[in-house]
Amino acid sequence: GAGVSQSPSNKVTEKGKDVELRCDPISGHTALYWYRQSLGQGLEFLIYFQGNSAPDKSGLPSDRFSAERTGGSVSTLTIQRTQQEDSAVYLCASSLRQVLSPLHFGNGTRLTVT
Amino acid sequence: AQSVTQPDIHITVSEGASLELRCNYSYGATPYLFWYVQSPGQGLQLLLKYFSGDTLVQGIKGFEAEFKRSQSSFNLRKPSVHWSDAAEYFCAVGAGNDYKLSFGAGTTVTVRA
Repeated sequence: GAGVSQSPSNKVTEKGKDVELRCDPISGHTALYWYRQSLGQGLEFLIYFQGNSAPDKSGLPSDRFSAERTGGSVSTLTIQRTQQEDSAVYLCASSLRQVLSPLHFGNGTRLTVT
Repeated sequence: AQSVTQPDIHITVSEGASLELRCNYSYGATPYLFWYVQSPGQGLQLLLKYFSGDTLVQGIKGFEAEFKRSQSSFNLRKPSVHWSDAAEYFCAVGAGNDYKLSFGAGTTVTVRA
């Protein structure tokens, strides 16, 4: 498909387990973002990748969260030792370049930590 | 840092009626403003954006928004709502030197027949 693809669409995990969320951006998009959407909280910025530059990790809520982007394309968001407060929808977006290009969002991964 | 407030959590509107969603932003310089829509189970889709120029911008699906600097607002409007407009709407603000968009908490729109 031509859009941003995220997998899995749903993930249920037990507290304390690690999870990996995957994002496949639109081909040619150099910018990739991860946001977290919690009920009634809007979208919370997590991390930003732009080309080969060092990522902006300023939004990651704790050191249990990490992300990487391999080959300037696919990105993986990893949450270690999951907690119940990590339950949310994790959205990935990509764009051609910074700010002035619209973000194209995936459908998200709904994470539930039991 | 920039921030966005959407005062209305939930709005119910009759099909065919007009719709206005409020958005207020906080930013010291000229912001870049966006409205996104999220239909159930879907990702966010860009409705329209304002960078500069004409303060009334047209978007997809018959939506428009007006930038009012004096009121720090960027309200979204549609003259006649369709049932398919039931969704969650997010206002977002960006700055020229900051690639991170700040999103509001969203407004859920319910359309009744």
